[in-house]
Order: sequence, then C-alpha cells, then structure tokens
Amino acid sequence: GAVVSQHPSWVICKSGTSVKIECRSLDFQATTMFWYRQFPKQSLMLMATSNEGSKATYEQGVEKDKFLINHASLTLSTLTVTSAHPEDSSFYICSARELAGGELFFGEGSRLTVL
Amino acid sequence: RKEVEQDPGPFNVPEGATVAFNCTYSNSASQSFFWYRQDCRKEPKLLMSVYSSGNEDGRFTAQLNRASQYISLLIRDSKLSDSATYLCVVRLRNFNKFYFGSGTKLNVKP
Repeated sequence: GAVVSQHPSWVICKSGTSVKIECRSLDFQATTMFWYRQFPKQSLMLMATSNEGSKATYEQGVEKDKFLINHASLTLSTLTVTSAHPEDSSFYICSARELAGGELFFGEGSRLTVL
Repeated sequence: RKEVEQDPGPFNVPEGATVAFNCTYSNSASQSFFWYRQDCRKEPKLLMSVYSSGNEDGRFTAQLNRASQYISLLIRDSKLSDSATYLCVVRLRNFNKFYFGSGTKLNVKP
C-alpha cells in the first residue's frame, strides 16, 4: 500500500518554543493531507485539512495561528506548533488519501511532549 | 449526533472466539467505508475497505448495510495479536472528508 512518512517520531521541547512536524507521501502524490491530534485513550481528532498550493482548512476550535500548516508540494505537508505549551503535548498524526483506492494512509505519528 | 458511532468496548474474548463489531453512520451521502486497526501508541493502519457486496480477507469479514446505515466487522478464530482498537471510517460522496468512529477496543485473552 501507499506509504506516508512522518518526522520526527518523538520530540521534547521547552514551553514557548515552536516545533515543526513533516509529513511526506513517499510513493504517491497527495493534493490533500490531513492532520490529527490524539490524546491518550481518546479518538483521533481532525485538526485541519492541508491543501497543496492553498490555505489549510481548519476544524472548529483549532487555532490556525497556533498550528501553522504548509503544503508546498504534492508530497510534503508540515505542521508547526507555535509557542508550544504543556497542554499541546499530544500524539500528532498526518494522513494522505491515495487517489486510486480512496483509502487514507497514515504517517507513523509524532509524539510531542512540551515541558 | 456524531457522524460515526461505535461501541467503545472493550470486548474481552478468548483466543479462537468469533467477535463482531458494528458501526453506524448518520450521513446517507456516505460513499466509502473502511475499517482501520490502531495499536496502542501507534498510527491507524488500514485493515480493509468495505464494499457494498461485503468482502472477506482471511479471518476478517466486512459488511455494509446501506439501508440501515451500518457497517460491520467480523473476526473469526481470534488471535492474541488481534488485540487492538478498531476504527470505523466513513468518507462522504464528493467531499474529501473522512469521519472516524471513536474506536472499539478488543482484548483477546489466552
């Protein structure tokens, strides 16, 4: 199946710093990627839809100025958590839709811990 | 009302048992249906797509009932390695948007 790679897998940072997470589709082009957040023992929560070459579409309650999304190419989307705080600590996962089959494929996820 | 609803479980079953999960969806414009598996602290992985005629992949059988707006997943001869959370995912027709159920946790015990 299609492969989506996410980096970094783990990141620990100090409060107030910004963290960038990359999501790459390795063997297919993805005009749309999705970013999710998952807290322990909870379900995936869609944060935003990342559209290549245009602005991301954010879900209600997600601050676009705090979670900056850039989708500059057909294979790369980045999520930057700006001025991170401990409450931003979570598991962030990206996904991309493989057009042929229509399924979503997920990156390995990035576990962010803000001290 | 949530777009996709699942019984969170957990379902605790012995090895070798047959277990079934259901998932209901609210939007009749839903077009594509999937079951994903998520292990603890890992990303979801596609288990199988669900087709209108129903489909089988080894010990796993998925079915779709459009009239009642639910999909099901049947696991036969459960293995310890089947222990995971199973997510029901629905995509709307003409929308590049996917809706996730909250997941059903399965524990297969020796």
